Amino acid sequence: AQRVTQPEKLLSVFKGAPVELKCNYSYSGSPELFWYVQYSRQRLQLLLRHISRESIKGFTADLNKGETSFHLKKPFAQEEDSAMYYCALRSGGYNKLIFGAGTRLAVHP
Amino acid sequence: EAGVAQSPRYKIIEKRQSVAFWCNPISGHATLYWYQQILGQGPKLLIQFQNNGVVDDSQLPKDRFSAERLKGVDSTLKIQPAKLEDSAVYLCASSSISGPFQGLAFFGQGTRLTVV
Repeated sequence: AQRVTQPEKLLSVFKGAPVELKCNYSYSGSPELFWYVQYSRQRLQLLLRHISRESIKGFTADLNKGETSFHLKKPFAQEEDSAMYYCALRSGGYNKLIFGAGTRLAVHP
Repeated sequence: EAGVAQSPRYKIIEKRQSVAFWCNPISGHATLYWYQQILGQGPKLLIQFQNNGVVDDSQLPKDRFSAERLKGVDSTLKIQPAKLEDSAVYLCASSSISGPFQGLAFFGQGTRLTVV
């Protein structure tokens, strides 16, 4: 079965500290993975996708097929990074999009 | 470009009442999704349309939930009758099936439903 697991409900760090938000998935085929972010009072929006292999707002994520992981990383957290982060997997011929439970990142001054 | 529009933003109803939500996707997007997001959980896919056909409704509680997408554009999601456990944010999203943003889902602001 297709599943996305985000083991941490809350990640609390101080400004300038490194951040790693964990995401593991289960999928039998070749997955396409995404990170979505929801800032306070804003809509859910795409942060990055694994196939683009780019850095957005200082965040990067590498797909590790051996460990079935797609962890989100940033070397130096900023207060404006505080938000809910959702890992998502796209599967099937009709682009079904499945989300994890989300991790709240709180960056303290 | 204009984003995904949803209405209403908030709705409070009593259990056993009916409610309907409306979604207008981004122009040209063939795929439309309805998600249910219960507090503290990630979005759960209820139903997915491609144009005006349903491609996945495996997690839609069909005894009380229904959705339609007439003419392959706007969509409505209805709950009849509502239960307390239906309290959630209902998210609509859309995506294109071609071009550089193929398959990327863009979300609306959501409708927060409270059933009392």
